[in-house]
Amino acid sequence: QSALTQPASVSGSPGQSITISCTGSSSDVGGYNFVSWYQQHPGKAPKLMIYDVSERPSGVSNRFSGSKSGNTASLTISGLQAEDGADYYCNSYTSSSTWVFGGGTKLTVL
Amino acid sequence: QLQLQESGPGLVKPSETLSLTCTVSGGSISSGSYYWGWIRQPPGKGLEWIGNIYYSGSTYYNPSLKSRVTISLDTSKNQFSLKLSAVTAADTAVYYCARRSGGTSYRDYWGQGTLVTVSS
Repeated sequence: QSALTQPASVSGSPGQSITISCTGSSSDVGGYNFVSWYQQHPGKAPKLMIYDVSERPSGVSNRFSGSKSGNTASLTISGLQAEDGADYYCNSYTSSSTWVFGGGTKLTVL
Repeated sequence: QLQLQESGPGLVKPSETLSLTCTVSGGSISSGSYYWGWIRQPPGKGLEWIGNIYYSGSTYYNPSLKSRVTISLDTSKNQFSLKLSAVTAADTAVYYCARRSGGTSYRDYWGQGTLVTVSS
């Protein structure tokens, strides 16, 4: 299975909004509403930020939102804050009953 | 509060078998509709899903690793394990264990991760 496609890096200034895309196929992202997003700071375990495309776990800021259109899922972070700077990974269920991650996106808060 | 903790050798020789255990505390691995899984991350690289096991014992593996991977449950010890055979330097990574709720992509609890280096 091929990794989902994410931009290698994105950046934004504090207070701005950014969107990270995650492109797959009809066999994964486009076929199921089982897409999640993780935030990872250096040396730390990934933290779940969005699950089932657009659901937010308890305790996650409402500045984080998720959506999907066709074979592409997106994570939007509004009102960027310095602590949002991290690596972000998308993850999707596949038609083979397996899971696949995106390559990861490094978010820099300028 | 559920906690997951990986344990096992930090150094494995090429061609040998990597064995890791994830100990779950604060909850039972045999209760509820949960999947218990392994994810790894080579140094400086992205996350890779290895596989998972349902509380009933059904297993699912990454096709690229399937021939070398075994995930099992030990309900008596509230642990689940990963075995990866015939390792090479490419298997050097931080290995994480995690829990996912069945029927969703809600993978909420993760271990802190353990670095396994494959080297002679």
